[in-house]
Amino acid sequence: GQNIDQPTEMTATEGAIVQINCTYQTSGFNGLFWYQQHAGEAPTFLSYNVLDGLEEKGRFSSFLSRSKGYSYLLLKELQMKDSASYLCAVGNAGNNRKLIWGLGTSLAVNP
Amino acid sequence: NAGVMQNPRHLVRRRGQEARLRCSPMKGHSHVYWYRQLPEEGLKFMVYLQKENIIDESGMPKERFSAEFPKEGPSILRIQQVVRGDSAAYFCASSPPGPSNYGYTFGSGTRLTVV
Repeated sequence: GQNIDQPTEMTATEGAIVQINCTYQTSGFNGLFWYQQHAGEAPTFLSYNVLDGLEEKGRFSSFLSRSKGYSYLLLKELQMKDSASYLCAVGNAGNNRKLIWGLGTSLAVNP
Repeated sequence: NAGVMQNPRHLVRRRGQEARLRCSPMKGHSHVYWYRQLPEEGLKFMVYLQKENIIDESGMPKERFSAEFPKEGPSILRIQQVVRGDSAAYFCASSPPGPSNYGYTFGSGTRLTVV
């Protein structure tokens, strides 16, 4: 089967660092995506990893280990506006572009 | 350069009516995807379309639901004889042809409420 696991909820303090983990078991792999979704809004793209290692983009970084089926999203210098749901998604291999989605991690940033 | 446009933003239907949800992809994007999101649940894939072709409809319920992406005009997700369980947010996303390293661009969604 195909499965993506993320913690349901996390809490952090403004200015701190938080790491959101994602593990996956899928029949194919064509990259891993992280999206941010604020309540009542559409998901917005954050990052894409297809090779092992760390991709850094401003305050956000994403890491991938294909052999372990593991990724994390690292958020630094947390701001109140970072309170949102963070969705991990894996792309199927082949021509089908369907993404398989985790249920999302709801992050609450407290002052 | 408009993004993915979905309308209506909110739709209320009585049980048994039909719901039509529209999606215009970003300019230059030829791939359209429909997802459903229920409260406290993740995004569930419904269907993947290219112009005039359904590529993958493995997530579509077998009855009452249909989707199209005609040569001209927006993609349409149609739900016939709606029931209360169809109440959800329906998101459309699009992507360009070729490698999709940047994933999808999502529309703002249509929130369907069946009363």
